[in-house]
Amino acid sequence: AQSVTQPDIHITVSEGASLELRCNYSYGATPYLFWYVQSPGQGLQLLLKYFSGDTLVQGIKGFEAEFKRSQSSFNLRKPSVHWSDAAEYFCAVGAGSNYKLTFGKGTLLTVNP
Amino acid sequence: EAQVTQNPRYLITVTGKKLTVTCSQNMNHEYMSWYRQDPGLGLRQIYYSMNVEVTDKGDVPEGYKVSRKEKRNFPLILESPSPNQTSLYFCASRAGTGSGGELFFGEGSRLTVL
Repeated sequence: AQSVTQPDIHITVSEGASLELRCNYSYGATPYLFWYVQSPGQGLQLLLKYFSGDTLVQGIKGFEAEFKRSQSSFNLRKPSVHWSDAAEYFCAVGAGSNYKLTFGKGTLLTVNP
Repeated sequence: EAQVTQNPRYLITVTGKKLTVTCSQNMNHEYMSWYRQDPGLGLRQIYYSMNVEVTDKGDVPEGYKVSRKEKRNFPLILESPSPNQTSLYFCASRAGTGSGGELFFGEGSRLTVL
């Protein structure tokens, strides 16, 4: 069965600083990988996804993520954080016989002015 | 507008009083799923449905029932709610049954069981 680990429960950055959110997965083959964002009181919105091909994927809102097979990682990055990026971020892996999406426990991002 | 609609958005109920959380999607998606979100635990799948009349258990199905009589609707039923089912619930849908499709989420239903 697949699993996802997000090592950082809470990260605080200053507005304008760069951001990297970590995600490690466990699966026997190359899975489908996703990053979702959840703003307060809202559902989850897809930021980006990786299926195959180029290991650096671009998403919405200026986010990008890099798939590293050797490290089983799919870290999310943004060069310059905006106050509106404050939210909870979830990494997810899609795999398995029932095509289930398994989520990490999330990383809460706080942005200081 | 493409969307997944859940109702109610907020509900406070008492132990043992049956309730249903409705979920409807207007995107003609085959796959639908229910998740619950709890602090520190992320999202955990309760039930999913690959198509009409096809449902299966997720990771935490105990205490829940679902049905999929129509493609657009996937209600979550709590026959006898208990306080440990206090949670934030999300319905989601996607096109096809492969794991690569984007999952579209509803805005969530916050349930409190006293």
